[in-house]
Order: sequence, then C-alpha cells, then structure tokens
Amino acid sequence: AQTVTQSQPEMSVQEAETVTLSCTYDTSESDYYLFWYKQPPSRQMILVIRQEAYKQQNATENRFSVNFQKAAKSFSLKISDSQLGDAAMYFCAYRSPHSGGGADGLTFGKGTHLIIQP
Amino acid sequence: DTAVSQTPKYLVTQMGNDKSIKCEQNLGHDTMYWYKQDSKKFLKIMFSYNNKELIINETVPNRFSPKSPDKAHLNLHINSLELGDSAVYFCASSPSGQGVYQPQHFGDGTRLSIL
Repeated sequence: AQTVTQSQPEMSVQEAETVTLSCTYDTSESDYYLFWYKQPPSRQMILVIRQEAYKQQNATENRFSVNFQKAAKSFSLKISDSQLGDAAMYFCAYRSPHSGGGADGLTFGKGTHLIIQP
Repeated sequence: DTAVSQTPKYLVTQMGNDKSIKCEQNLGHDTMYWYKQDSKKFLKIMFSYNNKELIINETVPNRFSPKSPDKAHLNLHINSLELGDSAVYFCASSPSGQGVYQPQHFGDGTRLSIL
C-alpha cells in the first residue's frame, strides 16, 4: 500500500515571502498521480496543483509550483509571494492509476498547517 | 452551481442512532467516494463506487454502507452510531478510467457529532 508523509505539522511564513511544504511518498508503482489540496477554515477541499509521475517537467499554477523528484519520491510545494488567503491546511495526496487492494481513492498525508504572518 | 453537494452540513445525534448523509454531483462523473476526516484532520478513503464496482476500505466497519440510487448520488448510511464516528465526512467525485489524472471534486463536508 502507498503511504504519504508530510513531515511538517505546521509552517509559518511572512506575507509576500516564499515557503516550501514537503511531501514524500512510498510506492512500488512507476506511474501514478500526485496532488496538493488546500483546506481553509471553511473546510472546503480545493485543488492547488497536480503532477503526473511520467512527466518530468514540474507543474506550475501561478504562484504555486512543485519540485517533483521521482527517484527520491519527493513532491514539495512552493508558494511564492505568500498571501493572507493562503493560510490553510495543505494536504499532499497520491493516486494510483489502478484500483484494487483497497478503496480506489486518494491517499493523503497528515497535512501541514500553513500560517501567514502579516 | 454546486458541483458536489452534501446534506446536511452538520449532524448532531445520540449514540446508537442510525443516520444518513446524502451526496449529489452534477459533473457527470461516474465514480464517487466517501472520505472520513478525523479530529486530527487526517483524511482517509472509506469507499469508492461506480456503476460497476464498490470498493470498500477494509478498515471501515460494516455499520457503514453506501447506497447509490443512480450515477449522480451516493448516500452514506451509518447504523448504531458510536462516539468514534464523530468526524467530518466528505463526498467526492471524479471521472474513472483515463480520468484518474483528473482531480477529485469534493463536497463541503458533513460534521457528524455523536453525543
């Protein structure tokens, strides 16, 4: 079974600065999908960015980018020019392209609580 | 337009009762899911379901059962509620097959509190 580890329970950053959230995962599959979701206090789960494992190019969405290191099984999220609205729980998630061995859904890390200091 | 909607948003009930949470999606997706988020914010898959197959996480007690009247709905029934069932329950949907790269769309969650 796949596991996802987020080693930073909480991170704090000054507004307008850059912060990197770490995520590592364990899998024996060669093809899979990785996601970062944001959960603000409103409880909604909002997709931030996604990456296909067979694509070497790192995904970018405006101020959000990832550093995907397949050999190291690492998928960190970089947030540039942090804004107050970025304050939230951030979850790293893994999805196998194959079902079986358990429910066919996302495997989540335990999350990182991001605090933005004004 | 709400893509994935869950009702109710909050549910407070007593131990031993039976309750249901409803979920509907208008995205045309053929796979739906239920996740449980515990008090430490950890999210775990409970079920995935499409019109062909129900896949159950083996750790889910059989007091929990998904019911799908049609492709757009996946309701969650819980029998004999226990204190440990207190959590936020999220419904989600996505395309299946080649759509595994597509993100899952989540509802706003239902906070279940057991007294």
